[in-house]
Amino acid sequence: AQSVAQPEDQVNVAEGNPLTVKCTYSVSGNPYLFWYVQYPNRGLQFLLKYITGDNLVKGSYGFEAEFNKSQTSFHLKKPSALVSDSALYFCAVSSRHNTDKLIFGTGTRLQVFP
Amino acid sequence: DVKVTQSSRYLVKRTGEKVFLECVQDMDHENMFWYRQDPGLGLRLIYFSYDVKMKEKGDIPEGYSVSREKKERFSLILESASTNQTSMYLCASSRDRVLAYEQYFGPGTRLTVT
Repeated sequence: AQSVAQPEDQVNVAEGNPLTVKCTYSVSGNPYLFWYVQYPNRGLQFLLKYITGDNLVKGSYGFEAEFNKSQTSFHLKKPSALVSDSALYFCAVSSRHNTDKLIFGTGTRLQVFP
Repeated sequence: DVKVTQSSRYLVKRTGEKVFLECVQDMDHENMFWYRQDPGLGLRLIYFSYDVKMKEKGDIPEGYSVSREKKERFSLILESASTNQTSMYLCASSRDRVLAYEQYFGPGTRLTVT
């Protein structure tokens, strides 16, 4: 069965520092991996995805994520955090072998302090 | 830009009432989805649809039904609302059945059942 784990409920970081939001996954076959962000009182917005190819994926708002097949991870990163990055972040996975569903993690709240 | 709209941002209903949540997308997407979002549980898939008049159960379909009479519209129905259905409901759409395509979300409906 497919699953996604976001081990941290909350991540705190000072503005200007690098940030990492962790995600690990379990799927049969090759994964399709996604990151979404949810700002307060809004729906989810797509940030970036990994389907195939280069392991380092760049997305919106300066975010990037690295696909690591051996560690089954897809951590979200940004070199320099902004206060406006404070939001709820969701990792999600599907696969070519199970195209019916996108499985979401439980979310990680990112708090960036000025 | 893809736009997914939901009929209400906030809704308060009484136990036993029949509740309709409407979702409309304007990008001719094949797929549409209904999720509920609860703190600590992430997003859970209720129902999805790949085509008009077609529906598939997600992970938590009990107590819900759906209707897709037109390609752009996907309705979630709570036949007899209960307090444990108090939640945030998110509608999403994506281009087609291949889940390599990202999902686009509406702003959500926060439903309170009293």
